[in-house]
Amino acid sequence: DVKVTQSSRYLVKRTGEKVFLECVQDMDHENMFWYRQDPGLGLRLIYFSYDVKMKEKGDIPEGYSVSREKKERFSLILESASTNQTSMYLCASSWGLRTGELFFGEGSRLTVL
Amino acid sequence: AQSVSQHNHHVILSEAASLELGCNYSYGGTVNLFWYVQYPGQHLQLLLKYFSGDPLVKGIKGFEAEFIKSKFSFNLRKPSVQWSDTAEYFCAVKYNFNKFYFGSGTKLNVKP
Repeated sequence: DVKVTQSSRYLVKRTGEKVFLECVQDMDHENMFWYRQDPGLGLRLIYFSYDVKMKEKGDIPEGYSVSREKKERFSLILESASTNQTSMYLCASSWGLRTGELFFGEGSRLTVL
Repeated sequence: AQSVSQHNHHVILSEAASLELGCNYSYGGTVNLFWYVQYPGQHLQLLLKYFSGDPLVKGIKGFEAEFIKSKFSFNLRKPSVQWSDTAEYFCAVKYNFNKFYFGSGTKLNVKP
């Protein structure tokens, strides 16, 4: 089974802090994604990466950056956390550009005070 | 921007009732279609997917969905729900390359 592991299930940070969310997948998937999930809004794509050191902006990239130095690891960075970034963050991976579904991690619930 | 609409935000059913959850998308080109489920406290899991071929797709746990291209729809169905189907259901559409768009989700509450 594909396993997508997110390093932190729950985080509490203060406004202005730098936040790192880590994600690791174990199936050699080419593509990795970061979504945020908010009630009533579904999942919104923040960034995705289709190769090491490659990244593409999603629909809501403002206030976020990403890093993919190794194929299995995709990090989401909040340079200066704000209260409106309180959310559930989901990492996902998929195989190939034209095929395959997303496999999700369990999520990281971030609260910014 | 492309959009995915799930019109039912919250559905309450009794066990053994039939289920149909609506999903419509806005893109007119080639799409791949998915339904995901999120059980309480768990990660999102794939229920079923459509890539090509037979527009009636069968998934896990007795779920099925029908792709109707002319209506831009991919509705999820189950003939008889169980209490264990209580979860949130998300429709997703994949457009060019890896652009996945998700609906806002439908919370299903099945009463025992």
